[in-house]
Amino acid sequence: GQQLNQSPQSMFIQEGEDVSMNCTSSSIFNTWLWYKQDPGEGPVLLIALYKAGELTSNGRLTAQFGITRKDSFLNISASIPSDVGIYFCAGQLRNAGGTSYGKLTFGQGTILTVHP
Amino acid sequence: EPEVTQTPSHQVTQMGQEVILRCVPISNHLYFYWYRQILGQKVEFLVSFYNNEISEKSEIFDDQFSVERPDGSNFTLKIRSTKLEDSAMYFCASRPHRGPGNQPQHFGDGTRLSIL
Repeated sequence: GQQLNQSPQSMFIQEGEDVSMNCTSSSIFNTWLWYKQDPGEGPVLLIALYKAGELTSNGRLTAQFGITRKDSFLNISASIPSDVGIYFCAGQLRNAGGTSYGKLTFGQGTILTVHP
Repeated sequence: EPEVTQTPSHQVTQMGQEVILRCVPISNHLYFYWYRQILGQKVEFLVSFYNNEISEKSEIFDDQFSVERPDGSNFTLKIRSTKLEDSAMYFCASRPHRGPGNQPQHFGDGTRLSIL
């Protein structure tokens, strides 16, 4: 099945610094999603990307859908303590019939720690 | 904002016992999912459900697992005879049906299943 490689596995940064993480895949995805997970909670959607080359922002977050459809990155600018958590990329594939039941394949996650 | 709700938040069960995890998806959503996350690992797809039937399932979702939408609001995951390795967080997710499969999924906060 599809595999997503997410890096880095963890990051320790100072408040105010910018953060960048990325995901790569050996196969194509039609949709890339970025989620954040806080301890004891479910993944919360941050950004959804639907077109190759698409660059989308959500406040201090910016994400891009790679041209090859095999990668995506997420940038967080001017990090703050509440950015702490685990960030997951997820890919969704449309099946041969052009529809998709929406199965998501997740990356391994990036653990972000922000020091005040 | 509407949420996916899951009960119970924590379930402790003896190995070999049956367990039912419950979810109430967002009310106008039509696609429903179960995922699991073993402690410290990535989120893994189990099953998708649409139009009262399973649309896709992973190899994790073997004969011990079943899903049901017993009424208009609940979506359940049953594990028939639990094993130690079934211990994990189980997340329910749902999404609406607008266009061919590109609407993001919304996740509940999960049920922590502990098998003793």
